[in-house]
Parts: sequence; structure tokens; C-alpha cells
Amino acid sequence: KQEVTQIPAALSVPEGENLVLNCSFTDSAIYNLQWFRQDPGKGLTSLLLIQSSQREQTSGRLNASLDKSSGRSTLYIAASQPGDSATYLCAVQEAGTALIFGKGTTLSVSS
Amino acid sequence: DAMVIQNPRYQVTQFGKPVTLSCSQTLNHNVMYWYQQKSSQAPKLLFHYYDKDFNNEADTPDNFQSRRPNTSFCFLDIRSPGLGDAAMYLCATSNGRGNQPQHFGDGTRLSIL
Repeated sequence: KQEVTQIPAALSVPEGENLVLNCSFTDSAIYNLQWFRQDPGKGLTSLLLIQSSQREQTSGRLNASLDKSSGRSTLYIAASQPGDSATYLCAVQEAGTALIFGKGTTLSVSS
Repeated sequence: DAMVIQNPRYQVTQFGKPVTLSCSQTLNHNVMYWYQQKSSQAPKLLFHYYDKDFNNEADTPDNFQSRRPNTSFCFLDIRSPGLGDAAMYLCATSNGRGNQPQHFGDGTRLSIL
């Protein structure tokens, strides 16, 4: 059974720092991996989707990498800002429809 | 903008009193999903519709039902809510199954008194 783990559970950084969020999964037979952002009391906003054949995706200050063989993904946020404060969730999609999520990393960026 | 809309944003119901949550979409996607997210937990898929074809996850309690009267709307019915059903309920859509991105609404936070 696929399990997704995110470390750390919480992270606090000063504004301007570059940071890395980690995601690991136990079964490498995935279609894709997605990173989402969730603000308090809100739904999920898709940030990046990496297909299983890809190694990375970039959007603005965000870069996500995927190493399927080792079951790992990282989300790199450059020059963090207070507006980046949120919970970041990663999810994998297997042969089926369900996204299997990690519990998330709660990021706090102080000004 | 095309989007996934959930109503209401906040719902309070009494223990055992049936409640219905609503989701609509303007993306014209053929797949709609309902996820449950308890506090500080990962979202968990309850069921999904592929067109009119209903697909229940194996461990979804019988207390949870769903209806999809047309492409645009999908409802989540909780027949007899218990305290353990208090959670954020997230609706999502995708254009086909399998390797397709899912688009989420803002969720409905359900509280049980």
C-alpha cells in the first residue's frame, strides 16, 4: 500500500531564505506527483505536477524534482516571502484515480 | 474563470441529522471526486464519479453517499453524521481518469454539534 511522508512537519524561516520541502513515497509505480498549497481553512491549489517520466518542473520561484527510483521529491522555494506561508502537500497518483497525499509541511515565513 | 465551487463554505449540523454538501464545476470535466480531510491529516478519497459511473473507495463508511444529477453538479450526503465526521470536505474534478491533474474547490468545513 502506497504511503507518502513529508518531512519536516513544520518549518519556520526568515524572509528571503531559500528552502527545500521533502516528500517520499514507498511505491515507485506512479503516474505523477503533484505539489499543492493549502491556506488555512481553504482548499488545495495545485502548484506543480511532475509526470513519472519527468525529472523536474519549474514555476516562478518554485522548482519541484522527482526521483522515482528512490521514491523522493523535493519542492524548492527560492527567496521566500511571508505570502508563501501555508501548508504544502505532496500527492502521488497511481494506476487509478485517487491521489494519495502526505500530511503536509506547514511553512511560516517571517518578515 | 472556470472553477470548482463548493457550498456552503461552513456547515454546522447536529449529531445524527442528515446533511448535504454541494459541489459544482464549470470546467466540463467528466470526473468528480470527494475527499475528506480531518484536522492535520492528509486528504483521503471517499468516492468519485466517472461520468455517471459511481466508484466507492473500499473503506468509505456506508454513512456517506453521493449523487451526480448532471455533469456540473455533485452532492455528498451524510445520512447520520457522527462526531468523527467533522472534517473539511474537498471536491475535485479532472478531465478523464488516470494521469490527469485534479482541480480542487475551496472545501466545506463541517462541524457536528
